[in-house]
Amino acid sequence: QQPVQSPQAVILREGEDAVINCSSSKALYSVHWYRQKHGEAPVFLMILLKGGEQKGHEKISASFNEKKQQSSLYLTASQLSYSGTYFCGTESDSGYALNFGKGTSLLVTP
Amino acid sequence: DAGVIQSPRHEVTEMGQEVTLRCKPISGHNSLFWYRQTMMRGLELLIYFNNNVPIDDSGMPEDRFSAKMPNASFSTLKIQPSEPRDSAVYFCASTVGLASNEQFFGPGTRLTVL
Repeated sequence: QQPVQSPQAVILREGEDAVINCSSSKALYSVHWYRQKHGEAPVFLMILLKGGEQKGHEKISASFNEKKQQSSLYLTASQLSYSGTYFCGTESDSGYALNFGKGTSLLVTP
Repeated sequence: DAGVIQSPRHEVTEMGQEVTLRCKPISGHNSLFWYRQTMMRGLELLIYFNNNVPIDDSGMPEDRFSAKMPNASFSTLKIQPSEPRDSAVYFCASTVGLASNEQFFGPGTRLTVL
């Protein structure tokens, strides 16, 4: 079942922060985050396994609350290069294929 | 190292024609995925192969779609006959081991069915 992402779109000024949420109606084994720039393929950002861990990647980090079946992606001090569409992919059991959300479009302006 | 290779990059065809999309995964990767991306539905998994065997094809929309993986270095996605609603970007991705590992996406094939 497709996870739900919010917001659908967000516009930021360079240096501002943003949070993108991903929620599922099913219990999750892991959550994956990808970023896709316009006209390009999705690129992997990070994986979070159940256990409530938080990960970081440059100024982009994420958390995973398995009890709430939710994950959040945090973008701090946004840069122009952060613009793109962010997808979460959820894995309901180990080894199962991912279900991707519809994406959150992020635009960072000067 | 070469990434995932897809061909053609763009395909324009007329309704009713057969379309074949091709994918070469990264060498050493044993899981391969075909996705379809549209504005309305986002990124949808069509089929997932592991060690050349189809594991999950529940996302294949209908019998007009078929996928094969005859060996570890090649896969095809065929649509016959094609319809305008099949217009989308089709991505192939590969990974080592399970579907839950980092997936490497190809550049995609933009299909337009007139």
